[in-house]
Amino acid sequence: KNQVEQSPQSLIILEGKNCTLQCNYTVSPFSNLRWYKQDTGRGPVSLTIMTFSENTKSNGRYTATLDADTKQSSLHITASQLSDSASYICVVSYTNAGKSTFGDGTTLTVKP
Amino acid sequence: DGGITQSPKYLFRKEGQNVTLSCEQNLNHDAMYWYRQDPGQGLRLIYYSQIVNDFQKGDIAEGYSVSREKKESFPLTVTSAQKNPTAFYLCASRKNREHSSYNSPLHFGNGTRLTVT
Repeated sequence: KNQVEQSPQSLIILEGKNCTLQCNYTVSPFSNLRWYKQDTGRGPVSLTIMTFSENTKSNGRYTATLDADTKQSSLHITASQLSDSASYICVVSYTNAGKSTFGDGTTLTVKP
Repeated sequence: DGGITQSPKYLFRKEGQNVTLSCEQNLNHDAMYWYRQDPGQGLRLIYYSQIVNDFQKGDIAEGYSVSREKKESFPLTVTSAQKNPTAFYLCASRKNREHSSYNSPLHFGNGTRLTVT
């Protein structure tokens, strides 16, 4: 069964600190992995996308990494801001059947 | 501005009533999707459509129905057969029809929160 597991489930950090969110997957055959940010009560917005040939992708203070061998991805947030408080969702797409599997998300709270 | 509009934002219905959630996009995207989001769970695919007048069941289609008569519109009806309809419903679109397209992320609306009592 294709699965995507994210950890931690929730995280609280102080403003200005860094944090790293994890995503492990068993999806096969792998096509690409996206990280989305979802603010409370809103729809998710794409942050980064990576294929198996890319191991790092940055978008401002967000840096995603991918290890296709171990099937692990991480999202690192640098110098966190209050506006980073959101749910971060890992989505893995696979090439047969053409579907995507969503992780349950990590809820990040940044406190002043 | 191009985007996806879902309406209404909040919807309340009595048990046993059918209800239709609206989703409109002006992005000229081919594919449209409906997802359901429950607290602490990942998004689950209800239905998707890759072309006008055609749609496919997702993982949790039972109790739901859709239509795709126009490229811009993909309404979702939650029927009385849906056992647990209270949830946050998200509509999305994608430029390309391929689910795994690298250059074609999902664009989401801001959701409709449905409460059935």
